[in-house]
Amino acid sequence: GDSVTQMEGPVTLSEEAFLTINCTYTATGYPSLFWYVQYPGEGLQLLLKATKADDKGSNKGFEATYRKETTSFHLEKGSVQVSDSAVYFCALTGNQFYFGTGTSLTVIP
Amino acid sequence: DAGVTQSPTHLIKTRGQQVTLRCSPKSGHDTVSWYQQALGQGPQFIFQYYEEEERQRGNFPDRFSGHQFPNYSSELNVNALLLGDSALYLCASSVLSDQPQHFGDGTRLSIL
Repeated sequence: GDSVTQMEGPVTLSEEAFLTINCTYTATGYPSLFWYVQYPGEGLQLLLKATKADDKGSNKGFEATYRKETTSFHLEKGSVQVSDSAVYFCALTGNQFYFGTGTSLTVIP
Repeated sequence: DAGVTQSPTHLIKTRGQQVTLRCSPKSGHDTVSWYQQALGQGPQFIFQYYEEEERQRGNFPDRFSGHQFPNYSSELNVNALLLGDSALYLCASSVLSDQPQHFGDGTRLSIL
């Protein structure tokens, strides 16, 4: 069945460091791919999305490119801030929404 | 414009009891999905409602049931509660089933 595999955490970075969170997927069709973020004590918020191969989703300095050949949707940011500390979830739509297990990011000043 | 609202925020029950959680979708949304998020895990899909019918269901037992009302709000019912049902229950709404979902802040259910 469809599934999402996410990079294990937690991840700790210094402010202004480069961020990559890996996400790979398995799907029988052509799913849409998403990154959601969960700040402490809050619900999930959509960060970015891509609906077809080679699409690049971007928001708040974060980017992810839908790579069909490698079945990946890695999240990147060139310079993280303390305010980016949160849990990040990769997700896809198949016959339902599938979420990865989440990657906790802590950014230290 | 109110987003997805869930009630109650927190709930404590004992084993064997029954619980009902409630969700009001974001204005303009007609599809409601429910998820269970255990501590340190990603959300697990329970089921989705559209036009007052259950359209899709994840791998959850029949103890988990739901309902959608004509105003698109929804309820999640869990019978015969087990300790393992302790989790954050998230409601999400969307316009179509495969569109980005907007999440509520969840109901934290604790089973003693």
